Amino acid sequence: AQSVSQHNHHVILSEAASLELGCNYSYGGTVNLFWYVQYPGQHLQLLLKYFSGDPLVKGIKGFEAEFIKSKFSFNLRKPSVQWSDTAEYFCAVITISGGSYIPTFGRGTSLIVHP
Amino acid sequence: GAGVSQSPRYKVAKRGQDVALRCDPISGHVSLFWYQQALGQGPEFLTYFQNEAQLDKSGLPSDRFFAERPEGSVSTLKIQRTQQEDSAVYLCASSRGQLNEKLFFGSGTQLSVL
Repeated sequence: AQSVSQHNHHVILSEAASLELGCNYSYGGTVNLFWYVQYPGQHLQLLLKYFSGDPLVKGIKGFEAEFIKSKFSFNLRKPSVQWSDTAEYFCAVITISGGSYIPTFGRGTSLIVHP
Repeated sequence: GAGVSQSPRYKVAKRGQDVALRCDPISGHVSLFWYQQALGQGPEFLTYFQNEAQLDKSGLPSDRFFAERPEGSVSTLKIQRTQQEDSAVYLCASSRGQLNEKLFFGSGTQLSVL
């Protein structure tokens, strides 16, 4: 079964610092990849997604992620974080070749950005 | 509606009590998912509906958990004889239809079993 690892559980940064959150998945083959974000007091919402094509995908609010198939990774990046980026970030994977189409989520990374 | 609606927002139950959690997906959304999120963890899959058909219930932790979506819109997750380990946030999500589309989440129901 697919599993998703997010190695950074808690990240604390100052504004303007660069961000990289790791995401690795266990089962190869054809996958669709997502990053979801949950701002304080709000519901989970999509940040960006990768289905195919250019492995560098850009999402909302200046976030981007790079799919590296050989490393089973889909790391999230932002060059300069803002206080408003304080949130929980979840990586999710759908294993298309597995045939289940059920999104599997990582445990999440809590990001706190100090002004 | 404008988004996925879940009720109640909070539920406190005594151990052994039955509970029912409601999810109202976005109108017209074919796919509906239930997830369980324990404190400090990510969402764990429980069950999936396509319209009224429950196509995958492999994530339901025990036979005390039951979900239905009889008319292909509103869904109810029922937990019988609640236990302390059932305490978690229960998330509902819907999508338009294609199975690899993004999910629209509700705010969740926080269940506390005392």
